[in-house]
Amino acid sequence: NAGVTQTPKFQVLKTGQSMTLQCAQDMNHNSMYWYRQDPGMGLRLIYYSASEGTTDKGEVPNGYNVSRLNKREFSLRLESAAPSQTSVYFCASRARGESNLRSSYNEQFFGPGTRLTVL
Amino acid sequence: QKEVEQNSGPLSVPEGAIASLNCTYSDRGSQSFFWYRQYSGKSPELIMFIYSNGDKEDGRFTAQLNKASQYVSLLIRDSQPSDSATYLCAVLFTGGGNKLTFGTGTQLKVEL
Repeated sequence: NAGVTQTPKFQVLKTGQSMTLQCAQDMNHNSMYWYRQDPGMGLRLIYYSASEGTTDKGEVPNGYNVSRLNKREFSLRLESAAPSQTSVYFCASRARGESNLRSSYNEQFFGPGTRLTVL
Repeated sequence: QKEVEQNSGPLSVPEGAIASLNCTYSDRGSQSFFWYRQYSGKSPELIMFIYSNGDKEDGRFTAQLNKASQYVSLLIRDSQPSDSATYLCAVLFTGGGNKLTFGTGTQLKVEL
């Protein structure tokens, strides 16, 4: 099992350019997430998908769009990149669709990350 | 807004000592708590999950949960240089659906 994979690992964009970050998981997980991580800010949720066919906004969705292509894949798109979107982006997945507060199935598994620089 | 607070550190401890990392959270009704470890340039990985009040031990790691005081701690016994990393506390808030809320993390340095 590869777990959660992300492409690309590194990317440099100019302001105004667009790009799509790809994420895939082979663990048959229902839920998938996109986070950004900035120094001193911790992990902030951009968008998530509780199950195939559904997506919802997280804490910092502005400037981003997502697509849950199928159960395996969840992509993040920047339509017009801005320097404020310079960050490390992590994709994560979780086994269960519903919350079970007592279960460690709430664990999220993270991909290796994409380092994005917008000039 | 539901929040998770951590001291950013760095917390420096000598090799072999006990490292104590703390996390406070805003929602009294929260029930599930996670500690993730993140090495520099790497992705977070889960090291502990705790649901009930009290202590949970796994090898050199002990998570302590006090719901009345709304804090969760991570103790690392016999600290090793390989424990040097950032430790992220995450909380599954009630009514939060499938979402975890993360603290900003505490950087731990274990010195020889």
